[in-house]
Parts: sequence; structure tokens; C-alpha cells
Amino acid sequence: EIVLTQSPATLSLSPGERATLSCRASQSVSSYLAWYQQKPGQAPRLLIYDASNRATGIPARFSGSGSGTDFTLTISSLEPGDFAVYYCQQRSNWPLWTFGQGTKVEIK
Amino acid sequence: QVQLVESGGGVVQPGGSLRLSCAASGFTFRSYGMHWVRQAPGKGLEWVAFIRYDGSNKYHADSVKGRFTISRDNSKNTLYLEMNSLSDEDTAVYYCAKDQSGDGDWFDPWGQGTLVTVSS
Repeated sequence: EIVLTQSPATLSLSPGERATLSCRASQSVSSYLAWYQQKPGQAPRLLIYDASNRATGIPARFSGSGSGTDFTLTISSLEPGDFAVYYCQQRSNWPLWTFGQGTKVEIK
Repeated sequence: QVQLVESGGGVVQPGGSLRLSCAASGFTFRSYGMHWVRQAPGKGLEWVAFIRYDGSNKYHADSVKGRFTISRDNSKNTLYLEMNSLSDEDTAVYYCAKDQSGDGDWFDPWGQGTLVTVSS
């Protein structure tokens, strides 16, 4: 099983600041990595797939990068609606999808 | 637009059974794979099961293999999850999610979820 480790567990930032979230895989997943956003009481929403492609309707302030084992989700300037939990997910080990444990982005 | 509506959750005793449904609309259901994902209270996401667009192949996480079965009825645009031998570790919100393709891809979008509580 491929284990995804996200860091930090919690990120405390102010609106307008830049957020940098990390996801590290226990073995290479090539570019088969996605990022999801989950707000309290809501279902997750796909933000980024194949490491760097924005899903439909996702604002340009969200960007993804990386390949192999190290990946980053960057939110260039946090807006109030961006404070949420973010999960990375891999599909390299198909058909066994796994998620990271999540990073909570909270208001400082 | 794509809509996924789960139903069938509730309170069930340990060892009991439950069947979840996911009604799909707004897209050609028979052309896409579908997933179930669960989230225990206050915890992260766990993939549970996947079924290919035509139902020809089904895959289940080890944690539910032999107890849960994913299925679909393309004539009714509905996805199912049959859950047997439930334990308190199965308590979670269960989400259905549309695969980006027919063959196992990313999950987009997700339904709002249905809560399953296993308790005596």
C-alpha cells in the first residue's frame, strides 16, 4: 500500500497570505496525485488532478506541483472560503486509491 | 448539472446489514465508473469500493472485502453498497463519487453523504 503523508497537520494563516501544503508518498506515484478540499459539513471537492491540472471551475490561485514522491499544493492568496481541510490522493497503485491524513488550513 | 444523492444510512446493530443507494443524474451514468468513500467521525477519507462503468469489474478495500459489495443498475442510474457483518469501525459518513472516466480515475464530484452508525 502506498502511504501518503501530509504536512503540516495544521497551517495557521491570515487571509491574503500564501499557503503551501506538502504531500509525500512512500513510493513513487509518478504524477498520479490529486488534491481535494473539504469544508465542514460538506463533501470533498476535487481541486487538482494529475499533480498539476486544475479541475473544472477551480480558481487560478490554486496550483499543484511535483512528481514521484513529493508534491505541493499552493494557494497563492488565501480567501475566506479557502479555510478548510485539504487531502491528497494517489491512484498510481490502481485499484487501491489512498488518501493522506489531511492538512487543516485555519484562520490565524 | 451532475447530482449524486445518497440514501439508506441509519443506525444498525453490530453484526447487522444495510444497503446504501446513490441516485445519479445530470450525466450518462452507464459511461462512468463509480466509487464509495467513507469518513469516520472526525477522521480522514478512506476509499471503500469501485465499480467499472458497465459493472464488469468491482474492487473493494481490504478493510471491507468479503463484507461489503458494490453494485449498480444502469437502467435506474443507481449505485449501491451492500454492507454486511457491520462493526463499530464501519461507523462513518459514506459518500458516493463519480469517476472521471469509466476505468478508475479521480473522484469528481461527490454526493453529500449518508451517515451509518453501528451501535447497540
